Amino acid sequence: KAGVTQTPRYLIKTRGQQVTLSCSPISGHRSVSWYQQTPGQGLQFLFEYFSETQRNKGNFPGRFSGRQFSNSRSEMNVSTLELGDSALYLCASSQGYSPIRTQYFGPGTRLLVL
Amino acid sequence: QKEVEQNSGPLSVPEGAIASLNCTYSDRVSQSFFWYRQYSGKSPELIMSIYSNGDKEDGRFTAQLNKASQYVSLLIRDSQPSDSATYLCAVNRETSYDKVIFGPGTSLSVIP
Repeated sequence: KAGVTQTPRYLIKTRGQQVTLSCSPISGHRSVSWYQQTPGQGLQFLFEYFSETQRNKGNFPGRFSGRQFSNSRSEMNVSTLELGDSALYLCASSQGYSPIRTQYFGPGTRLLVL
Repeated sequence: QKEVEQNSGPLSVPEGAIASLNCTYSDRVSQSFFWYRQYSGKSPELIMSIYSNGDKEDGRFTAQLNKASQYVSLLIRDSQPSDSATYLCAVNRETSYDKVIFGPGTSLSVIP
């Protein structure tokens, strides 16, 4: 079974631009979570989607948004990019949305904001 | 107090030794626990999950859970240089549809 895929793998943007990242979960998985990882802050939760609905949200500004499609694929968007948005963005999928769920991570998208 | 805490590291062990990684959590209703390994520049990879008190073994890895003391540990026997990575502890709360909580990670270096 194919794992979680994320595109693109690398991105370079400039301040003020916007970016859209894509995540395809493992086949049959319906829950998708997004994380931001930086050396200083570690793994920080952005949001989680299940059945096209946002179920949980982390403490990020409104510039960070996401959505999930009927095929469980998910996208996240960051508008008005800032230098501090440079990070590894990770997507993780799980089979369902239950309190006990195991998450599997994709390879990540490395974003550099200049 | 952070929700999930881990030894900050870095932890260095000689090849062949046992590496012990610890994780404590603050929410007593936490019910499922995970260990992820993350190599530099890569994404986290699930190593083990544990739900019940006691030990769970998988190859060279043993996870230990003590809910009364609110800690979970990961032992790596016969450590190899390829085990050098950051290890992340993650916690779910059974009674809540809340996000999975990750610890800050412990960096492990296995010296040949």
